[in-house]
Amino acid sequence: AQSVAQPEDQVNVAEGNPLTVKCTYSVSGNPYLFWYVQYPNRGLQFLLKYITGDNLVKGSYGFEAEFNKSQTSFHLKKPSALVSDSALYFCAVRDKSNTDKLIFGTGTRLQVFP
Amino acid sequence: EPEVTQTPSHQVTQMGQEVILRCVPISNHLYFYWYRQILGQKVEFLVSFYNNEISEKSEIFDDQFSVERPDGSNFTLKIRSTKLEDSAMYFCASAKQGLFNYEQYFGPGTRLTVT
Repeated sequence: AQSVAQPEDQVNVAEGNPLTVKCTYSVSGNPYLFWYVQYPNRGLQFLLKYITGDNLVKGSYGFEAEFNKSQTSFHLKKPSALVSDSALYFCAVRDKSNTDKLIFGTGTRLQVFP
Repeated sequence: EPEVTQTPSHQVTQMGQEVILRCVPISNHLYFYWYRQILGQKVEFLVSFYNNEISEKSEIFDDQFSVERPDGSNFTLKIRSTKLEDSAMYFCASAKQGLFNYEQYFGPGTRLTVT
């Protein structure tokens, strides 16, 4: 069965420093991977996706993610964190059934300190 | 930019009562979904809907749940007889589909509290 793992419940980083939020996946076949962000009392916002092509994917708000097939990882990165990036981040993989249900990780809370 | 909208934002109901959660997907999207997130837990898939029928449902989506697209714009989730454990945030999502348009766009959610 498809799954994603987010090994860190929380990541703390100082404003201006680079940030990384980790995600590893387990799928059969080629993975379709996504990152979503959830701000307090808000829904999930799509950040970026990897379907095929370039391993470095750029998304919204300056975020990017690197697909690494050998390490089965899809870590989310940003060169310079902002306090406003503080939120809950979810990695997700598309199921390989006929529909496109997303299977989410447990989420990582990013806290950016001024 | 088009958004998925959901009403109400918060619904409080008594155990055993029926609730209907409403969603308006993005207008040119063809695939519709319901997910839920119990407080402090991860987002879980409930059901997907395409071409006026359920495409797939999870084991959570038992006979107490149903979905409908009554008028070509709204997409509803009905829980016939709510239980305490149905308390959660319910998210509606829609997707355009297509070769590279797999991303699902989520609404802001309806917080359901069953007392």
